[in-house]
Amino acid sequence: EPEVTQTPSHQVTQMGQEVILRCVPISNHLYFYWYRQILGQKVEFLVSFYNNEISEKSEIFDDQFSVERPDGSNFTLKIRSTKLEDSAMYFCASSVSARGPSTDTQYFGPGTRLTVL
Amino acid sequence: AQRVTQPEKLLSVFKGAPVELKCNYSYSGSPELFWYVQYSRQRLQLLLRHISRESIKGFTADLNKGETSFHLKKPFAQEEDSAMYYCALTGNQGGKLIFGQGTELSVKP
Repeated sequence: EPEVTQTPSHQVTQMGQEVILRCVPISNHLYFYWYRQILGQKVEFLVSFYNNEISEKSEIFDDQFSVERPDGSNFTLKIRSTKLEDSAMYFCASSVSARGPSTDTQYFGPGTRLTVL
Repeated sequence: AQRVTQPEKLLSVFKGAPVELKCNYSYSGSPELFWYVQYSRQRLQLLLRHISRESIKGFTADLNKGETSFHLKKPFAQEEDSAMYYCALTGNQGGKLIFGQGTELSVKP
């Protein structure tokens, strides 16, 4: 069964450094998402992406964040200058569509744990 | 405000006992409600959704619009049901999921 994959599984970085988190969505999916979960807190939506542009973003997704689909398979989240509070588990998800009774299930990757020191 | 509330952080039951994981929501409109499950060291995966009206692994959930609830139930818990359970919603235009805090279900032998 196809799965969303994410690399790396764990990223440790120094405050102020740039990080890129990578995701490979399921191949026939068209909608892509990033979520994050700070330890002990709820899973929070960051951004959704469709047709090579952001379709929705949350208040968390400020100018320090960007997303890109550099080729036909990867979907990346970049944090330009990491802060301590960016430490979290970052989940990528994809769906065939955003709307539809049986096609909009979001499939999640295993997550990347980002630790900012 | 769009919000999902799961009041219990941890629910501990014995094998064979009934289970009910509570979920209440706040949304102006007609949301779609979901339950996601995360087993130990595995990814989040969809357990069930209200529009499907189906039972998965013995779990059911009924959307109660009057009480704005979507509680997850199982009549006889099994040890393999031990996991984190997240209630979530999307708006009627689909898109982003709004999650509750999650409830850890622990089923003891």
